[in-house]
Amino acid sequence: SAVISQKPSRDICQRGTSLTIQCQVDSQVTMMFWYRQQPGQSLTLIATANQGSEATYESGFVIDKFPISRPNLTFSTLTVSNMSPEDSSIYLCSVVGGRNTDTQYFGPGTRLTVL
Amino acid sequence: SQQGEEDPQALSIQEGENATMNCSYKTSINNLQWYRQNSGRGLVHLILIRSNEREKHSGRLRVTLDTSKKSSSLLITASRAADTASYFCATRNFNKFYFGSGTKLNVKP
Repeated sequence: SAVISQKPSRDICQRGTSLTIQCQVDSQVTMMFWYRQQPGQSLTLIATANQGSEATYESGFVIDKFPISRPNLTFSTLTVSNMSPEDSSIYLCSVVGGRNTDTQYFGPGTRLTVL
Repeated sequence: SQQGEEDPQALSIQEGENATMNCSYKTSINNLQWYRQNSGRGLVHLILIRSNEREKHSGRLRVTLDTSKKSSSLLITASRAADTASYFCATRNFNKFYFGSGTKLNVKP
């Protein structure tokens, strides 16, 4: 299985500010995804992070609010911009590919609280 | 990206009992995966079943898949207090993954 780390693990931020979350994988992977999980809810896909090109966003999510970078096959960042309390969620990075091309593995998540 | 429903939404059982969770989905799939999540942490992958498989076992876990009914079930046998968590199913259709609404399992010691 892929080993995925995320930084930071948690943060408390003021509204109007931005936070960048990093996702690092221990092996090269085909696909990387970013999810949001609001309190008590299931996971919602924000976007697919594409290596060397713009991310593919799901309906309801836009690049200005959630810019994503993926400079190589093992690393990606998600920025939550101009935050409001509604952005308080767990943000999860996931990957598919590498040693196992079927299974989707998840990072430990970043718990974000916006005041 | 949430396309499925899971039932029950919550399940409370005694240690040693079996727990069964069901997942229904809407589109065709390549595979279906089950995950466990403890207290809002990252998801732990439990088991994957492909669309051409009907049943799969892993330790105390048994997963079934009925593609004609677009449904799957996860059975945890001889449950333990440590199994207390939320369980999610996720279907894969090519490069898209869709998560169910989740089942909160509470195993009482």
